[in-house]
Amino acid sequence: GNSVTQMEGPVTLSEEAFLTINCTYTATGYPSLFWYVQYPGEGLQLLLKATKADDKGSNKGFEATYRKETTSFHLEKGSVQVSDSAVYFCALSPSGAGSYQLTFGKGTKLSVIP
Amino acid sequence: GAGVSQTPSNKVTEKGKYVELRCDPISGHTALYWYRQSLGQGPEFLIYFQGTGAADDSGLPNDRFFAVRPEGSVSTLKIQRTERGDSAVYLCASSLYSSGGRGELFFGEGSRLTVL
Repeated sequence: GNSVTQMEGPVTLSEEAFLTINCTYTATGYPSLFWYVQYPGEGLQLLLKATKADDKGSNKGFEATYRKETTSFHLEKGSVQVSDSAVYFCALSPSGAGSYQLTFGKGTKLSVIP
Repeated sequence: GAGVSQTPSNKVTEKGKYVELRCDPISGHTALYWYRQSLGQGPEFLIYFQGTGAADDSGLPNDRFFAVRPEGSVSTLKIQRTERGDSAVYLCASSLYSSGGRGELFFGEGSRLTVL
């Protein structure tokens, strides 16, 4: 079956530090890949996505590149801010039938301190 | 409203009781999804509606769980004879159409269910 593995948290960084959250996946074919973010007291929000190999998704200074050869979709940001403190979820959507069904990782809690 | 609305935000109940959780999706969104998030885990798919019909209920854990969407808008997740293991945050999401891999789901804040 499909699965997503992401690095365990919590991750604590100082403001302006570089962020990497690792994500690898298992799926047949060519899934679409996503990062969702959950800020305190809010619902999950789509942060960025990539739908085919070598695509780079980007939003709000975050980036992730779909690497088919390593089945990875690592999230990066060059300079984090306190407002980036949240829980980040990597997810996949299978190709073909059932593409509406997202499979999520366990989430990584990020805390950014001033 | 502007977003997906879920009620109640918190529900505490006793083992064996019946519970209903409500989801009001974004107006015009034809697709609606329920997910369950247990402590320390990511959301897990429960059921998907396209319009009024449940297109895929393969994620429902057993026959104590049931969901309806009678008019193609508001949905209710129903849990009979609750068990302590049902304690989790139940998330509802909607999208303009079946996301088909585009993944643009809009989530509510969730209903936290605690079964004592």
